[in-house]
Amino acid sequence: SQTIHQWPATLVQPVGSPLSLECTVEGTSNPNLYWYRQAAGRGLQLLFYSVGIGQISSEVPQNLSASRPQDRQFILSSKKLLLSDSGFYLCAWSEGAANTGELFFGEGSRLTVL
Amino acid sequence: AQRVTQPEKLLSVFKGAPVELKCNYSYSGSPELFWYVQYSRQRLQLLLRHISRESIKGFTADLNKGETSFHLKKPFAQEEDSAMYYCALPSGNTPLVFGKGTRLSVIA
Repeated sequence: SQTIHQWPATLVQPVGSPLSLECTVEGTSNPNLYWYRQAAGRGLQLLFYSVGIGQISSEVPQNLSASRPQDRQFILSSKKLLLSDSGFYLCAWSEGAANTGELFFGEGSRLTVL
Repeated sequence: AQRVTQPEKLLSVFKGAPVELKCNYSYSGSPELFWYVQYSRQRLQLLLRHISRESIKGFTADLNKGETSFHLKKPFAQEEDSAMYYCALPSGNTPLVFGKGTRLSVIA
């Protein structure tokens, strides 16, 4: 069966420090991968998505970047964190070939920037 | 552009009362719509999709193209229904667009 893992679960970082959140999917090939940010009152905001290795689409211009170095690995990064980057980040995957529209979410990573 | 609107941030109902979580959308074409749910300390997960026309955990949602709505309904709320609910819509070839979510609180 397919599983998705993301880490770390919780992260406290100072302003200006770098960030790396990692997400991996197991049990499927060539998935579509996504990073969302969940903020109170703002819902789920799509940040990046990827349909294949090295292919990244950015939905919101910001301080963050994403990379997909391997088929089932998706990384969210920042060189210098801002206070506004605090939030709950969700990684998700969906079937690449047969797109049913269903997303499968990870457990989330809570980032606090101080 | 496709957009999903959930007008209520918070909805509180008593146990056994009917529940309706509102969702309106803007979409040019025949939309597919989804409801996702996040229970406390659990992952966000699919609750139901309109194309399957099924009832999940007593919830149903009917697509009303005239009113561009996809409200989620349940005749008798249970305490375990307390959660965050998101309505979602595919946006062309890009991923799901989610509403801002409604937190349902069922009071015993």
